[in-house]
Order: sequence, then C-alpha cells, then structure tokens
Amino acid sequence: DAMVIQNPRYQVTQFGKPVTLSCSQTLNHNVMYWYQQKSSQAPKLLFHYYDKDFNNEADTPDNFQSRRPNTSFCFLDIRSPGLGDAAMYLCATSSWGNSNQPQHFGDGTRLSIL
Amino acid sequence: AQKITQTQPGMFVQEKEAVTLDCTYDTSDQSYGLFWYKQPSSGEMIFLIYQGSYDEQNATEGRYSLNFQKARKSANLVISASQLGDSAMYFCAMREGGGGFKTIFGAGTRLFVKA
Repeated sequence: DAMVIQNPRYQVTQFGKPVTLSCSQTLNHNVMYWYQQKSSQAPKLLFHYYDKDFNNEADTPDNFQSRRPNTSFCFLDIRSPGLGDAAMYLCATSSWGNSNQPQHFGDGTRLSIL
Repeated sequence: AQKITQTQPGMFVQEKEAVTLDCTYDTSDQSYGLFWYKQPSSGEMIFLIYQGSYDEQNATEGRYSLNFQKARKSANLVISASQLGDSAMYFCAMREGGGGFKTIFGAGTRLFVKA
C-alpha cells in the first residue's frame, strides 16, 4: 500500500545535541509537510516543500531546518534541541491541485529531550 | 485570515449512541475544503471525511457524516452508533482552495466513549 513512513517512531536526544527525523513516501505526492504537535494541541505547521521549493512558516524557529533530496524523502533537522522542542513531529504529503484530497500523515515521531 | 474553531475540549458519549462534534470556520475564500481527522492516543492522524465548499450534499462515510451549513460556516461531525474504539482526539481542518498547500487545524475535541 502507498504510504507515508516516519522513522524512528520514538527518538530520544540530549539537550543541544542535533537530531534528524526522517519521512518517506510512496504516494509520489509533490508536497511534503512537517508539523509539530505538543500534547493535546493542534498540529502546528513548521514548513512545507512543493517539489524542491521550500516554504518556511514565519514563526518557525531557526533551530528547525529541512531537506528534501528527492520526491520520496524529507528530513527534519533540529540543530540544538531545547526542552521546549519535545513533541510529536508529523510528516504529511499531498498532491498540489487536488484540494479535495486529504493530507496523508505518517505515524509520527515522538521526540524526547533529556 | 482563515480560522477553525472547535469549542468542545472534551465530550462524553454512551456506547451505541450518536454524538456531534462542533466545528465552525472563517474564511473569505469561496473555494475551500473541510476535513475531519481522528487521532488515537498512538498519535497517527486518520482521515475521516471531506466536504467541499461547493458540495450541495452533506458528506457521509460509513458511520461518519458531516453536517455542513455554509451560511453559518459550520461543519459538524456526526458519529452514529459510537464504539469504544472511537475514543480519540478529533480535529476539524480547512484547506484553501485552488490547490492550495496549507491546511489549518482546530484545537481538537477529545471524545470519550463510555461502555
């Protein structure tokens, strides 16, 4: 089945130690998103890629970066994680031009900071 | 600016009964899509149902139906015959039309189904 896969499911890192979360998709969607979701809150969009075009949300901290080396993969890099960055990180995909289609989400990576 | 409002932080429903989760939205766009997602405690976001702004009929998907009242800008989710597995967080979301990228989410409603 076509899907969005996030690895790892759980990630523990130390305060200030860089960490990378990965997302892959077999849907061939041209748009990929990264969301941050804290407990009992709505997902907050960090950025998205439309093909290779990177679009950062205005309030996304500089500490968060992303890479999309090809259509299938997208990475979230947190350069110096702080305690406030502990959250669930959700990757999603969609196909531009089909606004009646939902975003497809991965199962998320739950990030803990020690 | 676009906005989604879910005014019910938590809801309880008895198993096998129906429940309505409220959602109101604000947009100046004529073309938009409305979505409901379910998020169990395990964390994944599961798409439930979609309603387009130009759709004249209310969307239905199995036990889920969407009560769309365009003039009131509301898109309430109705779950019929609630099951214990329906206990989860439910998010209402809106996507701008014209193939737009961004989807905005409401704050969510946590549903508890009682046996």
